[in-house]
Amino acid sequence: NAGVTQTPKFRVLKTGQSMTLLCAQDMNHEYMYWYRQDPGMGLRLIHYSVGEGTTAKGEVPDGYNVSRLKKQNFLLGLESAAPSQTSVYFCASSYNGLAGVQYEQYFGPGTRLTVT
Amino acid sequence: AQSVAQPEDQVNVAEGNPLTVKCTYSVSGNPYLFWYVQYPNRGLQFLLKYITGDNLVKGSYGFEAEFNKSQTSFHLKKPSALVSDSALYFCAVRALSGGYNKLIFGAGTRLAVHP
Repeated sequence: NAGVTQTPKFRVLKTGQSMTLLCAQDMNHEYMYWYRQDPGMGLRLIHYSVGEGTTAKGEVPDGYNVSRLKKQNFLLGLESAAPSQTSVYFCASSYNGLAGVQYEQYFGPGTRLTVT
Repeated sequence: AQSVAQPEDQVNVAEGNPLTVKCTYSVSGNPYLFWYVQYPNRGLQFLLKYITGDNLVKGSYGFEAEFNKSQTSFHLKKPSALVSDSALYFCAVRALSGGYNKLIFGAGTRLAVHP
């Protein structure tokens, strides 16, 4: 099992450019998440998905879009990159987290994005 | 509002000494609490969780955490620190939103274990 993988590992964008980050998991998890990690701020949830074809906003969704066309993949898009989106992005997945049940999340290795 | 606080940016410990990384939480209802570790240039790895039951939870790599409901704390502990334990540690609490679970993370505590 590869677990959770992320593509690419590094990327440098110019302001206004667009890109898509790909997350894939082979654990048949229902839930998938996108976080950003900034120094001194921990991890902040951007968007999440509770199943194929469903997505929802997290704590800091502005400037990002997501899609979950296949259960194993969760894409994060930046339509017009801004320097404030310079960060490390982590994808995670977990088993079905119905209310009252919380399973641990499994994280990918991260994507380091710099927007100049 | 549901939140997690890690009051120390950094904890310094000598190898072989016990270590404690502090975490306090604010949540409505029963807390589901987690500890994760992040090594340099890596993703987060799950260490342990408290859902219910014994207040002392044992996890990976010899770590344990003590749940204290009256103090709303969930401190991470290890009896004897190793240099290889040096990493960034995150506490997290489950938050319910629209019937679905999410995790709220603390800002992280950097643990430095010195030989």
